[in-house]
Amino acid sequence: QLQLQESGPGLVKPSETLSLTCTVSGGSISSSSYYWGWIRQPPGKGLEWIGSIYYSGSTYYNPSLKSRVTISVDTSKNQFSLKLSSVTAADTAVYYCARQGRNTAMVSYWGQGTLVTVSS
Amino acid sequence: QSVLTQPPSASGTPGQRVTISCSGSSSNIGSNYVYWYQQLPGTAPKLLIYRNNQRPSGVPDRFSGSKSGTSASLAISGLRSEDEADYYCAAWDDSLSAVVFGGGTKLTVL
Repeated sequence: QLQLQESGPGLVKPSETLSLTCTVSGGSISSSSYYWGWIRQPPGKGLEWIGSIYYSGSTYYNPSLKSRVTISVDTSKNQFSLKLSSVTAADTAVYYCARQGRNTAMVSYWGQGTLVTVSS
Repeated sequence: QSVLTQPPSASGTPGQRVTISCSGSSSNIGSNYVYWYQQLPGTAPKLLIYRNNQRPSGVPDRFSGSKSGTSASLAISGLRSEDEADYYCAAWDDSLSAVVFGGGTKLTVL
């Protein structure tokens, strides 16, 4: 059974860079047809797609976040990562990593989510 | 402001049928599949409907999806207390080259 697990700091200071890693187990991140992505949910609010990456490195990003987001992949470790720069309190959210279909909104596997708080 | 529009809330009594709407545009719902997610309190979302009207293994047939033009709907029949959750629609948007979500609908079982 495929499992995804987010890891990273739970507290980030304003203007700094948020960094999270997702470790995939029970399957290979190099599987064809799937993208690996990040979705976030501010407390009490809805879901926001951040972006996704193919094992080859091809990426898609949410246009509203594109200038601050970098998603990368490490196939040797079966991991992919998120970096979000110049964070503010508005970036406080539960961050989910997920397996997504290519050019679709189908997310068939989700991590449990990790809360990242932006505060000094 | 979400790209896809859902009502913020819906409600029904046990056994009733409720529907949740999702409105989009030609660049998302109008040209791509619609997906629905159920999020129980304190948990990650779960895929409920894929490709407009398909149910993943394990999802009861009380849940059904449909799509017409630039709108989609999720129907839940035989409402049960455990259906109380937030429901989100989603689609790929060709103009944005991005996944877009609805704002979510909180379903209350009275």
